[in-house]
Amino acid sequence: EPEVTQTPSHQVTQMGQEVILRCVPISNHLYFYWYRQILGQKVEFLVSFYNNEISEKSEIFDDQFSVERPDGSNFTLKIRSTKLEDSAMYFCASRQFYEQYFGPGTRLTVT
Amino acid sequence: EDKVVQSPLSLVVHEGDTVTLNCSYEVTNFRSLLWYKQEKKAPTFLFMLTSSGIEKKSGRLSSILDKKELFSILNITATQTGDSAVYLCAVESSGGGADGLTFGKGTHLIIQP
Repeated sequence: EPEVTQTPSHQVTQMGQEVILRCVPISNHLYFYWYRQILGQKVEFLVSFYNNEISEKSEIFDDQFSVERPDGSNFTLKIRSTKLEDSAMYFCASRQFYEQYFGPGTRLTVT
Repeated sequence: EDKVVQSPLSLVVHEGDTVTLNCSYEVTNFRSLLWYKQEKKAPTFLFMLTSSGIEKKSGRLSSILDKKELFSILNITATQTGDSAVYLCAVESSGGGADGLTFGKGTHLIIQP
């Protein structure tokens, strides 16, 4: 069964460093999403992407964040200068028509 | 601002019991309500509900939506230890196909043998 994959599973970085989180959505899906979940808190929407551009973004998705689909398969989330409060689980999701399917997540730890 | 409230936040029952998880929502331009099961990592899709009063069923799990009262329930009958997880309710508004989901805090369900 096709699934969304994410790499790495765990990333540790120092405050101020740039990180790139990678996702491979399910092929033939058209809509792509990033969410984050801070430990013990609810899943929060960051950004959605369709037709090679951002469709919607939340207040969390400020200028420190960017997304890209550099080729036909990868979908990336970049955080330019990480802060301690960026520590969270980051989930990628993709969708063809209706429901969103989530990847296993990348745990980002900023020290 | 869209809002999703789940109750209870945690629940401990014995294997074989039936549980009902609740989700109420306030959202402009409601499009759908989704239930996910989250074990160690990724939320896995359970149900998507768009119409009132139509029950969706998958094995021992079922769910129904009431768009008038703005809530949904998820029922699990004859619970097993493998049902232990966080159950997430999320709503989608109809701004377009790429809208993000608004999640509740989840119900942490523990099934004791």
